[in-house]
Amino acid sequence: GENVEQHPSTLSVQEGDSAVIKCTYSDSASNYFPWYKQELGKRPQLIIDIRSNVGEKKDQRIAVTLNKTAKHFSLHITETQPEDSAVYFCAAIGYSSASKIIFGSGTRLSIRP
Amino acid sequence: NAGVTQTPKFQVLKTGQSMTLQCAQDMNHNSMYWYRQDPGMGLRLIYYSASEGTTDKGEVPNGYNVSRLNKREFSLRLESAAPSQTSVYFCASSDRGANQETQYFGPGTRLLVL
Repeated sequence: GENVEQHPSTLSVQEGDSAVIKCTYSDSASNYFPWYKQELGKRPQLIIDIRSNVGEKKDQRIAVTLNKTAKHFSLHITETQPEDSAVYFCAAIGYSSASKIIFGSGTRLSIRP
Repeated sequence: NAGVTQTPKFQVLKTGQSMTLQCAQDMNHNSMYWYRQDPGMGLRLIYYSASEGTTDKGEVPNGYNVSRLNKREFSLRLESAAPSQTSVYFCASSDRGANQETQYFGPGTRLLVL
């Protein structure tokens, strides 16, 4: 069945450094790739997304890149800050309204002061 | 707008008891979803409803039933709770029909089955 693999499962970076989280997907029909941030005890919230007709999207310190040929996409956070500490989930969704959203297993990002 | 709301926030059940988790959204979204999240794990889809009147199984449907009561409400029922169903349950909604796939999550229900 469809699958989304996410790496690494945990990531610790020095404050101010960059963090990169990578996901690969198996369903070639996937065309929408959101990233969610979940702080401890809170609900997941969308932070950025990208569609298959775009290779890169940026929003301030956050960027997402997509390589459709290789079926992988990545989240880049620059100039990390303590409030970036959270669990990040990638996901992939197909075009059909009946397509299920498949989440990656999550990356726990810790920012060291 | 309240967004997506869930009740209850917390629940403790004994093995074999039944309960219904309630979810409502006020964003006029077509699609609604139920996920479970086990400690340190990702989100696993239990059931979803692509539109009012339809429901479909997700990745882990066993032991659960759902009802799409109307466009706003989507409930999840545990008929005979088991300790393996101890988890945090999230409801979400999206407007898939309008190609708006962003999912908006409720605050979650923490369920403990003893």
